[in-house]
Amino acid sequence: KNQVEQSPQSLIILEGKNCTLQCNYTVSPFSNLRWYKQDTGRGPVSLTIMTFSENTKSNGRYTATLDADTKQSSLHITASQLSDSASYICVVCEGSNYQLIWGAGTKLIIKP
Amino acid sequence: DSGVTQTPKHLITATGQRVTLRCSPRSGDLSVYWYQQSLDQGLQFLIQYYNGEERAKGNILERFSAQQFPDLHSELNLSSLELGDSALYFCASSSSGSVGSVEQFFGPGTRLTVL
Repeated sequence: KNQVEQSPQSLIILEGKNCTLQCNYTVSPFSNLRWYKQDTGRGPVSLTIMTFSENTKSNGRYTATLDADTKQSSLHITASQLSDSASYICVVCEGSNYQLIWGAGTKLIIKP
Repeated sequence: DSGVTQTPKHLITATGQRVTLRCSPRSGDLSVYWYQQSLDQGLQFLIQYYNGEERAKGNILERFSAQQFPDLHSELNLSSLELGDSALYFCASSSSGSVGSVEQFFGPGTRLTVL
């Protein structure tokens, strides 16, 4: 069964600290993996889209990694800011009918 | 601002009623997707339309229906509403009929409260 699991479910860190969010998937065949940021009550905003051949992709202070062999991805946030408080959602695109499989998200809270 | 617009922003109604949510995609986008997000839950894909035709169906209840009009705006109709239908409803758009490697752009959502 195609599934996307994220950990931790929630995370609290101090402003300025780094953190890493994890995403494990069992989706096959694989097309691409996306990370979204969703502020409370707002629509998700795309951070990165990674294909099979991409190991690392950065978007400002956000760096996503992908290991297609172990079916794992991570999102690393550097020098966190209060505005990084949000849910971060991992989404995997299945490669035959291109269905998006959504993770439940990690809720990140940045404290001053 | 993603360029996707949704109206209304908030909707409060009673059980058993029917409501219509409206979405206008980004200029040039032909695909519209509808998602439901219940409180503290992940997004659930409901349905996709591409250039006026239904393209993919997710976990959409029979009480719900959608359509995409010639001007590409879309409406999601929810009928015989139940308390459990209270949620945020998001619309997204993309340029392609296949979500494949193209990006989806999400609207601000409609918050539906069923009392």
